[in-house]
Amino acid sequence: EAQVTQNPRYLITVTGKKLTVTCSQNMNHEYMSWYRQDPGLGLRQIYYSMNVEVTDKGDVPEGYKVSRKEKRNFPLILESPSPNQTSLYFCASSPGGAKNIQYFGAGTRLSVL
Amino acid sequence: GNSVTQMEGPVTLSEEAFLTINCTYTATGYPSLFWYVQYPGEGLQLLLKATKADDKGSNKGFEATYRKETTSFHLEKGSVQVSDSAVYFCALTPIQGAQKLVFGQGTRLTINP
Repeated sequence: EAQVTQNPRYLITVTGKKLTVTCSQNMNHEYMSWYRQDPGLGLRQIYYSMNVEVTDKGDVPEGYKVSRKEKRNFPLILESPSPNQTSLYFCASSPGGAKNIQYFGAGTRLSVL
Repeated sequence: GNSVTQMEGPVTLSEEAFLTINCTYTATGYPSLFWYVQYPGEGLQLLLKATKADDKGSNKGFEATYRKETTSFHLEKGSVQVSDSAVYFCALTPIQGAQKLVFGQGTRLTINP
């Protein structure tokens, strides 16, 4: 089954404790993105990747890092989480091309205390 | 800049009612337009899309027409069901082929039996 898998689905942590949210897709898509969803703001893009070893900032990259060492994986790293990073995070992948149809994971709900 | 504005929610309707969720956009160039749906506890799924002016996207009884003259992409359904209860997001891709989505804030729809 074609899917985007995120782990964990729920995470509670404390300020300053490094964490990684994993994302994996099995559709051989070139493009992957991370978004955060906040009430009243919709989804905002954090980082995206156009291919292996090619990443770029989205609209709200501060406090986040990403890596793309393999085509299927695109982890999101919070080196020193802060309470304002409490949010619902979504990973997405896309085959590229003019249609830009993106496939989303089920989400990771993060709380930073 | 690029932005999407949706009607404020939440929206509550009775089963078989007519649904309209308004969406207007601001973009340079010729964006592609999308409606995504998020069911409780799940990630976003593409509902429908339109890539050029006057295109009509349709799926599962939902329709939306790309109106360049009014910069709008309103979502409509003639007869809603309880199973349509979800959060609906209007989104655009600023440039054809760009792998980025700019989202509206989302509209929560509840359908009562």
